[in-house]
Amino acid sequence: AQSVTQPDIHITVSEGASLELRCNYSYGATPYLFWYVQSPGQGLQLLLKYFSGDTLVQGIKGFEAEFKRSQSSFNLRKPSVHWSDAAEYFCAVGAYGYSTLTFGKGTMLLVSP
Amino acid sequence: DADVTQTPRNRITKTGKRIMLECSQTKGHDRMYWYRQDPGLGLRLIYYSFDVKDINKGEISDGYSVSRQAQAKFSLSLESAIPNQTALYFCATSASLEVGNTDTQYFGPGTRLTVL
Repeated sequence: AQSVTQPDIHITVSEGASLELRCNYSYGATPYLFWYVQSPGQGLQLLLKYFSGDTLVQGIKGFEAEFKRSQSSFNLRKPSVHWSDAAEYFCAVGAYGYSTLTFGKGTMLLVSP
Repeated sequence: DADVTQTPRNRITKTGKRIMLECSQTKGHDRMYWYRQDPGLGLRLIYYSFDVKDINKGEISDGYSVSRQAQAKFSLSLESAIPNQTALYFCATSASLEVGNTDTQYFGPGTRLTVL
């Protein structure tokens, strides 16, 4: 069975500072990996995804993530955080053709002035 | 995502009542899902459907049932609501034949359900 761990429940970052949100997964085969963002009162929006190929993936809103098979990680990064990035972020793992995703418990990002 | 709609957006009901949450999509996707979100627990899969004739239980299906009325419609029912079913419920869709996006799920805006 697949599983996802997001070690940080809350993270506070100053506006303009860099950001890294951690995600570790457990899956026997090659995973499909996703990051979603949920703004307050909203549904989940896809930020980026990794299926294969280049291990550094670019997403929307200036986010990127790097797949590291040796570390079973798919960390989300942004070089300069904006106040509008304050939201909850979810990492998810799936597999080709399997179509059910397993989500992590989320990391709440707070942005301080 | 405006292509996936959920009704109602908010609902307050009483213990023991039957309630139905509805999901519609205009994305043309064949696969649909119901999740619930609780603070600190992330999203947990309740039921999923790969086509109109295919219904599968997810991680937490007890106390819930679903109906796939058409490719575009997937309803979630609580036969006899209880307070610990108070949560935020999300519908999602994905396409099995969408090249390069086999497992990308697109979410509706959610239904906030309160069971008193």
